[in-house]
Amino acid sequence: GDSVTQMEGPVTLSEEAFLTINCTYTATGYPSLFWYVQYPGEGLQLLLKATKADDKGSNKGFEATYRKETTSFHLEKGSVQVSDSAVYFCALSDGGTALIFGKGTTLSVSS
Amino acid sequence: DTAVSQTPKYLVTQMGNDKSIKCEQNLGHDTMYWYKQDSKKFLKIMFSYNNKELIINETVPNRFSPKSPDKAHLNLHINSLELGDSAVYFCASSPGGETRVSPLHFGNGTRLTVT
Repeated sequence: GDSVTQMEGPVTLSEEAFLTINCTYTATGYPSLFWYVQYPGEGLQLLLKATKADDKGSNKGFEATYRKETTSFHLEKGSVQVSDSAVYFCALSDGGTALIFGKGTTLSVSS
Repeated sequence: DTAVSQTPKYLVTQMGNDKSIKCEQNLGHDTMYWYKQDSKKFLKIMFSYNNKELIINETVPNRFSPKSPDKAHLNLHINSLELGDSAVYFCASSPGGETRVSPLHFGNGTRLTVT
């Protein structure tokens, strides 16, 4: 079945460092891809999404490009802040009625 | 003006008890979900309702029973609680049954601790 694989965390960075969180997927069709973020003590929030190959989703300085050839949707940010510390989830939708999530990657940014 | 609200936020109870978690959304969405997040942050779909009709029922012990009195509410009742039920339970909603273009809106979670 469809699945999402994220890099293991935690990822620990200093403020203003470059961030990459890897995400690859397995799907039979043409899924939509999402990144969600979970701040401490809160629910998940949609960060960005891409619905077709080569689309780039972006929000709050974060970007991810839907790469069909490598089945990837890596999350990047050029300069992280302490406030970006959170758990990041990659997810896909194959048109069904529920999202399939990766296992989450914890990001910790120190000043 | 919370979009998806869950109560209670924390729930501590003993093994064998029965408890309920309530969820309400004021977004006018047709579809609601329950997800379970374990201690390693892994999220797993449990149930989904579309307009009060059950459309997803994953492999979940039948001690868990969802109830949707109307499309704005989806409650989760758990019988005979076990230690392994300890987790954070998230309610979510989306505009329709097609999640390819309709992102989920999550509540802030209910942390259930079974002692």
